[in-house]
Amino acid sequence: GAVVSQHPSRVICKSGTSVKIECRSLDFQATTMFWYRQFPKQSLMLMATSNEGSKATYEQGVEKDKFLINHASLTLSTLTVTSAHPEDSSFYICSARSRRTGFNEQFFGPGTRLTVL
Amino acid sequence: GQNIDQPTEMTATEGAIVQINCTYQTSGFNGLFWYQQHAGEAPTFLSYNVLDGLEEKGRFSSFLSRSKGYSYLLLKELQMKDSASYLCAVSRTDSWGKLQFGAGTQVVVTP
Repeated sequence: GAVVSQHPSRVICKSGTSVKIECRSLDFQATTMFWYRQFPKQSLMLMATSNEGSKATYEQGVEKDKFLINHASLTLSTLTVTSAHPEDSSFYICSARSRRTGFNEQFFGPGTRLTVL
Repeated sequence: GQNIDQPTEMTATEGAIVQINCTYQTSGFNGLFWYQQHAGEAPTFLSYNVLDGLEEKGRFSSFLSRSKGYSYLLLKELQMKDSASYLCAVSRTDSWGKLQFGAGTQVVVTP
């Protein structure tokens, strides 16, 4: 159990376009989903925390108008990178917390590799 | 804020033991996680410590000392597939389950 999927796994787009990434918890309800970004040879940097039915909470330095997060249900959160630029090229990873687990474990999706040309 | 420090890289031979240290400074400590991450893949959960002491799980063990702000991950009987980045992450009681990750330790296992 506790499987998280992401779609797409890889995307290449032109500068100025928008890209939507989906994160789904497949076999559990996720009270909270998190979005991370990871640049090569660096650690995961939390971008935002998303609770179902409420606005996302963004970390300092993350532009909320550029990285739109929607958490419409207990199993789906989406991240839209608007007007993407080459510096947005990165590995985007989502994670989800289950209502069932007794501690703060997060289950990670497989990640989305975004390349902006 | 919180500082999480771990070594950048460690090299060990197949069959050996490696210990990856992690020190942290935080208020409202609510547990420490270790994750394994292979290149280009998402992290996978290895261990969770919230109380002092050693947690053993097969070839991997994790230790925590809350008073010292210190944890280590012990990898025994190293295998080539253990070559990966190992991430230390801290959770705080006031952060709604958010995790703060260290920079990761790249472990290279040589034949």
